[in-house]
Amino acid sequence: AQSVTQLDSQVPVFEEAPVELRCNYSSSVSVYLFWYVQYPNQGLQLLLKYLSGSTLVKSINGFEAEFNKSQTSFHLRKPSVHISDTAEYFCAVSNQAGTALIFGKGTTLSVSS
Amino acid sequence: NAGVTQTPKFQVLKTGQSMTLQCAQDMNHEYMSWYRQDPGMGLRLIHYSVGAGITDQGEVPNGYNVSRSTTEDFPLRLLSAAPSQTSVYFCASSRGGPTTGELFFGEGSRLTVL
Repeated sequence: AQSVTQLDSQVPVFEEAPVELRCNYSSSVSVYLFWYVQYPNQGLQLLLKYLSGSTLVKSINGFEAEFNKSQTSFHLRKPSVHISDTAEYFCAVSNQAGTALIFGKGTTLSVSS
Repeated sequence: NAGVTQTPKFQVLKTGQSMTLQCAQDMNHEYMSWYRQDPGMGLRLIHYSVGAGITDQGEVPNGYNVSRSTTEDFPLRLLSAAPSQTSVYFCASSRGGPTTGELFFGEGSRLTVL
C-alpha cells in the first residue's frame, strides 16, 4: 500500500532564507505526487503536482519539487521564503486505483522576520 | 462561483447524538470525498464518491455514512457520535478524480463531541 512520510513536523526559518520540506513515499507502482498548502483556518489548496514528464515541477509562487524515483522522494524547496509562506504543507500520493490521495502528516512552516 | 461549501462550520454534539455534515459543490465535479484532520495525523480519507449513486470507503469509515443522490451534494452522517470523532472535517471535490484533477477543499467543519 502507498504511504507518505513527511520527515519534519515543524520547520522554523527566517524571512528570505531557503527552505526544504522533505517528503518520502512508498509505492510499488507508478505514482502521482502532490504538495498541498493549508493557510490558517482554511481548506487545503494544490501547490504543485507531478504526474509524468519533467521531474522538476514548479508553482506560481516560487516553490519547486523534484521527483526522485531512486530515493522515493518529492522534496519541496523555495530559495527565499516570505512571511506569507507561513502555513502547513502536506505531501500526498495517489492510491493505486487513482481514486484517492494519501496525505502525509504535514509540516508546519513558520517564517519569522 | 462558491466552489465547495460546507455547513455547519462549527458543531458541538453530545455522545450518542447523530448529525449530518453538508457538502455542496457547484463545479459539476464527478469526484467528491470527505477527510478528517486531526493534530499530528494529517488528513485521513473517510468516504469518497466517483459519481452520483456511487460511494466507497476510505481509510477510516467506521461510524460514518454517506450517500450521493446528486452530483452536487455529498452529505456525511454521524450515526452515533463518539468523542473520538472530535475533529475537523473537510469535503473535497475534483473533476474526474483526485489524480487527474485538482482537489478543491471546503473551509472545514469543526466538530466537538462531548
